[in-house]
Amino acid sequence: DTAVSQTPKYLVTQMGNDKSIKCEQNLGHDTMYWYKQDSKKFLKIMFSYNNKELIINETVPNRFSPKSPDKAHLNLHINSLELGDSAVYFCASSQGASRRVQYFGPGTRLTVT
Amino acid sequence: DQQVKQNSPSLSVQEGRISILNCDYTNSMFDYFLWYKKYPAEGPTFLISISSIKDKNEDGRFTVFLNKSAKHLSLHIVPSQPGDSAVYFCAASAAVNDMRFGAGTRLTVKP
Repeated sequence: DTAVSQTPKYLVTQMGNDKSIKCEQNLGHDTMYWYKQDSKKFLKIMFSYNNKELIINETVPNRFSPKSPDKAHLNLHINSLELGDSAVYFCASSQGASRRVQYFGPGTRLTVT
Repeated sequence: DQQVKQNSPSLSVQEGRISILNCDYTNSMFDYFLWYKKYPAEGPTFLISISSIKDKNEDGRFTVFLNKSAKHLSLHIVPSQPGDSAVYFCAASAAVNDMRFGAGTRLTVKP
């Protein structure tokens, strides 16, 4: 009965590769997010997305792109991976007019070698 | 620029005593504040929140206090239990779909 799930949990890959992280939520929420937790442990929002609007944090390189096949899924595609992309990536979702409370997935630890 | 700051990276308290976690923010546009709890290898879990129109919100052992003039909020856990040992993140929001997190405080509750 996992609310927000992510796959894979761990991902090790080489520089220059293209990879994807999948996220699914079964809460019926209408908005999903991707966060990056860097080596200093800060959680920074990368994207927020509902079926009408994509909001991109301007600091996110365009090598990162969210793709949503439906309301329950928001996948993260990363092209030409770099060493600095190594981090833990969290997916989250929220619902309703307030959307202030977000529910997080367990995270995907990406290591780029 | 880090708009939400948790200046104490760690805190250790004895079981049964009060835990006080602090958070400061710089953006006066923030109008909603949250605390999340995170265990290792798991995602953050929502704990408690407060709107800027209030100065206190209580939920069981957890109470959040907001001091808007000082741009400061705190989370009180009374009594602390060993199961409360985790990393606590303070978060603030100025708009729907937007949330800024602090760096977290690792709480250790000793039996």
